[in-house]
Amino acid sequence: EADIYQTPRYLVIGTGKKITLECSQTMGHDKMYWYQQDPGMELHLIHYSYGVNSTEKGDLSSESTVSRIRTEHFPLTLESARPSHTSQYLCASTSGGRGNTIYFGEGSWLTVV
Amino acid sequence: AQSVAQPEDQVNVAEGNPLTVKCTYSVSGNPYLFWYVQYPNRGLQFLLKYITGDNLVKGSYGFEAEFNKSQTSFHLKKPSALVSDSALYFCAVRDETGSYIPTFGRGTSLIVHP
Repeated sequence: EADIYQTPRYLVIGTGKKITLECSQTMGHDKMYWYQQDPGMELHLIHYSYGVNSTEKGDLSSESTVSRIRTEHFPLTLESARPSHTSQYLCASTSGGRGNTIYFGEGSWLTVV
Repeated sequence: AQSVAQPEDQVNVAEGNPLTVKCTYSVSGNPYLFWYVQYPNRGLQFLLKYITGDNLVKGSYGFEAEFNKSQTSFHLKKPSALVSDSALYFCAVRDETGSYIPTFGRGTSLIVHP
């Protein structure tokens, strides 16, 4: 089992609220990723980081922001949630070369009402 | 550039029958190939990967995959399907000389009928 944790697992919030989705890994991985996934659909990369103080936007435009102050922690923040942000958010991590396995957390289901 | 295709949105198979979930890829250099499974309301779980060496890779839960360089394919297989294998399956690729960001397929829903 991969040691990568996401909280909360499920969250319902009102429009306009600020929310931070937490992601932590205890494997010392330098590379971390955030994906957005609608139920049963494909993954969309929204942010990634190759190390502390390194963050980049992914392929899918997102109104969220991320930070990487510590190696093990990669939180995602929505400053003002909207119903269009309703989705599952998956955090993942890996280290070393391109052949290394990427491990995923269990996901955070966000519903904005 | 790297890309991966899963040509089937859904695969239906009877319990006890062999199953195949297809994946083809395109990379500039040599590929690193991965299969993941996703159960409802869960994250992706790693099943197996091909890095180098033997073209037949064995993974978790009795799954295996065959790397075919000439056909640029990496199909996932299992000799005898279980109802509990019903899930969403994702193929992913990374080019050995490219980005650290993997490219995932769109996913294939496997339905195993009792």
